[in-house]
Amino acid sequence: EAGVVQSPRYKIIEKKQPVAFWCNPISGHNTLYWYRQNLGQGPELLIRYENEEAVDDSQLPKDRFSAERLKGVDSTLKIQPAELGDSAVYLCASSLGGSPGELFFGEGSRLTVL
Amino acid sequence: GESVGLHLPTLSVQEGDNSIINCAYSNSASDYFIWYKQESGKGPQFIIDIRSNMDKRQGQRVTVLLNKTVKHLSLQIAATQPGDSAVYFCAENNAGNMLTFGGGTRLMVKP
Repeated sequence: EAGVVQSPRYKIIEKKQPVAFWCNPISGHNTLYWYRQNLGQGPELLIRYENEEAVDDSQLPKDRFSAERLKGVDSTLKIQPAELGDSAVYLCASSLGGSPGELFFGEGSRLTVL
Repeated sequence: GESVGLHLPTLSVQEGDNSIINCAYSNSASDYFIWYKQESGKGPQFIIDIRSNMDKRQGQRVTVLLNKTVKHLSLQIAATQPGDSAVYFCAENNAGNMLTFGGGTRLMVKP
């Protein structure tokens, strides 16, 4: 069974440029998460989807970050414009949903903003 | 590979010894806890979980202990192997299906 797939694995951009990350969750997983992980820290939730509905986006900086999950499967996280402080690893995870349970993570997209 | 973190608390153990990694959680209402392992350049990988109505759970070579009185979680790894070298995170579920992660501990296994 394929795991959570993310792309690109690495992205280097200059500040003020846009960037987008893509995530394909495990087949059948209704819940999808985007986390941000700064160097030396644990992942922090940005947004959680139940199917195509964003049910928790309180930590998403909405002035520059946006996300979508069309058709309740793949998801895209966008940053426009990027700032130096956005440099981090962006992790996508999925789960079956319902009661709290195991989250399956992708390998992440590492963003460097110069 | 890329480093997960440069200034994490570090536990260094000899191969074959037992390891104990500790975590203090913040919310007394948390009802579910998970330990994740993260190797360099990879996403977190599930190790073991425990619900708040339990105080101990065992897996293969790993045991999680939960002390709700002092809001403390520990991960014990028996007969630590070089492949166990990684950063370990505890996470608590305190609001629906939202996991909040702790700061992580780097485990280094000396051959």
